Amino acid sequence: EVQLLESGGGLVQPGGSLRLSCAASRFSFSTYAMTWVRQAPGKGLEWVTGISVSGDSTYYTDSVKGRFTISRDNSKNTLYLQMNSLRAEDTALYFCAKEHRIRSVRGYFDSWGQGTLVTVSS
Amino acid sequence: DIQMTQSPSSLSASVGDRVTITCRASQGISNSLAWYQQKPGKAPKLLLYDASRLERGVPSRFSGSGSGTDYTLTINSLQPEDFATYYCQQYYSIPPWTFGQGTKVEMK
Repeated sequence: EVQLLESGGGLVQPGGSLRLSCAASRFSFSTYAMTWVRQAPGKGLEWVTGISVSGDSTYYTDSVKGRFTISRDNSKNTLYLQMNSLRAEDTALYFCAKEHRIRSVRGYFDSWGQGTLVTVSS
Repeated sequence: DIQMTQSPSSLSASVGDRVTITCRASQGISNSLAWYQQKPGKAPKLLLYDASRLERGVPSRFSGSGSGTDYTLTINSLQPEDFATYYCQQYYSIPPWTFGQGTKVEMK
């Protein structure tokens, strides 16, 4: 069974930075696109960013462009999310998720981690 | 960006009921639609993709239909484990991909 384990969340002041990690196992990480989805407390799901298999293509929702950077290290089976200039509205549970189809960026996700909580507050 | 509107936002149902949730896109999405189930404190679970394709391991009481801008998730004979929140998500063309606001299915 696919395993995705997020880490790196925590409490950070507005304007601060945080780096999330997602350790993947039990599947061929280097052959699947990956994504981050977030969920503010008591709210719905919001797609944040995605990355292709090789990492040469990345995609962002408008509200995080220029502040967040997604990356991956296929040698370490790990996905990252560097978050800078954090705002209160970035407070959420951040899930990493695996693309359904191998070697493809289709945009729907069949395996999810349990999430890591980011709280932006002074 | 494509906006997704789900209805209703919540509903009450009993075990054995047939439940229907609707998702409307702000433009045609050519069946590029997924449905997820989320239980409290848990990660979302993919139920269907391409509007009507059942994900492996998902019970056949879940089905999806629709075309163009309007799509439906149907749960036939609701089971106790189906009480949860359901989200639609479009993945038409380039990102951003967007979710509906969710439909909470509660026990009557």
